[in-house]
Amino acid sequence: QVQLQESGPGLVKPSETLSLTCTVSGGSTSTYYWSWIRQPPGKGLEWIGYISYSGSTTYNPSLKSRVTISVDTSKNQFSLKLSSVTAADTAVYYCARFFPTGEYFDYWGQGTLVTVSS
Amino acid sequence: DIQMTQSPSSVSASVGDRVTITCRASQGISSWLAWYQQKPGKAPKLLIYAASSLPGGVPSRFSGSGSGADFSLTISSLQPEDFATYYCQQANSFHITFGPGTKVDIK
Repeated sequence: QVQLQESGPGLVKPSETLSLTCTVSGGSTSTYYWSWIRQPPGKGLEWIGYISYSGSTTYNPSLKSRVTISVDTSKNQFSLKLSSVTAADTAVYYCARFFPTGEYFDYWGQGTLVTVSS
Repeated sequence: DIQMTQSPSSVSASVGDRVTITCRASQGISSWLAWYQQKPGKAPKLLIYAASSLPGGVPSRFSGSGSGADFSLTISSLQPEDFATYYCQQANSFHITFGPGTKVDIK
């Protein structure tokens, strides 16, 4: 059974960079695609981007200029960096596995709340 | 990017009711549509993929249909554990968008 677990600071100051890591167990980051999705409090889901098993990335156009997703296959982890954050970036951040052949997310982390505030 | 709409935005129903939620894409997406169920404080859970396929472990009271731009999710007999918010999702050209969600609550 594949399991994902997000980790990182729960509080980030405005204009700084949000950094999160997702640790994968029961599966390998050398296969499939790995993604970040966020959900502002009380709102819907927004896809941030994903990284493929080959290391290629695709980002949401609305966030592309501020997002970097990377993978460390030796640690079976992938990471998110979101720069120049504002209060609008306050959200629960989920990591998830994306199954590209069927175009769906089949495994999700439990989510981690990141608040942007001074 | 492809925009997704859902209707209704919320529905009140009773245990045993049949509930149908619709999802419309701003352009055709073949059958590449997924549905998720999300309960408060929890991560979304995959319910349907490829418009009508159920992953293992999903009860058969859930079904999906549609292709092109119009899709639906049906719960044939609502159970207490089905009260949740439901989202549709597309991944055309690998740019992914979700619908705004439909909340199913108790009448």
